Amino acid sequence: AQSVSQHNHHVILSEAASLELGCNYSYGGTVNLFWYVQYPGQHLQLLLKYFSGDPLVKGIKGFEAEFIKSKFSFNLRKPSVQWSDTAEYFCAVNAATGNQFYFGTGTSLTVIP
Amino acid sequence: GAVVSQHPSRVICKSGTSVKIECRSLDFQATTMFWYRQFPKKSLMLMATSNEGSKATYEQGVEKDKFLINHASLTLSTLTVTSAHPEDSSFYICSARTPNTGELFFGEGSRLTVL
Repeated sequence: AQSVSQHNHHVILSEAASLELGCNYSYGGTVNLFWYVQYPGQHLQLLLKYFSGDPLVKGIKGFEAEFIKSKFSFNLRKPSVQWSDTAEYFCAVNAATGNQFYFGTGTSLTVIP
Repeated sequence: GAVVSQHPSRVICKSGTSVKIECRSLDFQATTMFWYRQFPKKSLMLMATSNEGSKATYEQGVEKDKFLINHASLTLSTLTVTSAHPEDSSFYICSARTPNTGELFFGEGSRLTVL
């Protein structure tokens, strides 16, 4: 089975600071990679996804992530965060040949105005 | 985007009773749905994969006799927590994968409190 690690459990940033959240996975085969966001009181929403092609993917709200196959990583970035980005962020992996999605433990981001 | 709906959003029950949670895909057919459990400050733990017309596939450590899953149609999966105990109190989330894009859409979640 796949596993996903998110090393940053809680991140606190001031507005306009840059963000990078780490995500590493363990699986030897081809994977699809995702970042989901959960705003306070809301359900999980897709931020961005990588299936194939350009390893640098852009998502909604200015987020992007880079797939580095050699490092089994899919880090999430945003050059300038806003207060409205305060949320829980989850990295997820899905084997290309399978159905199940496995999630990391999540990173809680707090942006201070 | 695709919509997945869960019902009820909150349920409180007495210890020993059974509780059923429904998950519906509102605008697409889902042959496969997933049930997750989310603990406070923790990630989503995949409990089982619900397969339309066949038995669910449970993850290691999840009791299939306690968490009964039925996927009777292409738009509905149900999770029944049988003989619930306080340690079953949690946030249960369902999701479904769209057949075209492969994206996973989530329901609003159901908070179960067992007294």
